[in-house]
Amino acid sequence: GQQLNQSPQSMFIQEGEDVSMNCTSSSIFNTWLWYKQDPGEGPVLLIALYKAGELTSNGRLTAQFGITRKDSFLNISASIPSDVGIYFCAGPSSPVEGGSEKLVFGKGTKLTVNP
Amino acid sequence: ETGVTQTPRHLVMGMTNKKSLKCEQHLGHNAMYWYKQSAKKPLELMFVYNFKEQTENNSVPSRFSPECPNSSHLFLHLHTLQPEDSALYLCASSRTGGRQYFGPGTRLTVT
Repeated sequence: GQQLNQSPQSMFIQEGEDVSMNCTSSSIFNTWLWYKQDPGEGPVLLIALYKAGELTSNGRLTAQFGITRKDSFLNISASIPSDVGIYFCAGPSSPVEGGSEKLVFGKGTKLTVNP
Repeated sequence: ETGVTQTPRHLVMGMTNKKSLKCEQHLGHNAMYWYKQSAKKPLELMFVYNFKEQTENNSVPSRFSPECPNSSHLFLHLHTLQPEDSALYLCASSRTGGRQYFGPGTRLTVT
């Protein structure tokens, strides 16, 4: 089945630093999603990308849909302690009967921000 | 975010027990999902329900039995689980083709 490879697996940075992480796949995706999961909570959608080459921002977060459709990048600028968490990329692997989406997720990038 | 709630938040059960996980969504969505999240593994989709009908069973063992009485409620009935079933079980909901909103999850430990 489709797999998403995220890197790095973990990052330890100082507050104020910029962060970059990426997600790659061997197959094409038409949508890329980036989620963040805080400890003890479920994932929350940060950014959704729908077109190859698209660059979308959400506050200090910027994500890009790779032009090959096989990768995506997430950047966080001027990190703060509340950026701590696990960041997941995801994409719809196939439509489910009835129109629901079957998402495939990467393993996540665990971010630690030192004050 | 209180749109999708899950109870209990934590559950410890023996391998011979029967328990149920509950999910409720207050967002008016028509699709609901169960995911399993294990350490160092990607989230795994287990089941999908659309308008109360199961539309996806991702080869889940029969010791997991979902139930969707209406579009707002989703249950996962558990019986004779194995220790390797210990994980965070996440519920999500969406409109048809829309973004999925996740609940906080139930941390399950099978002893």
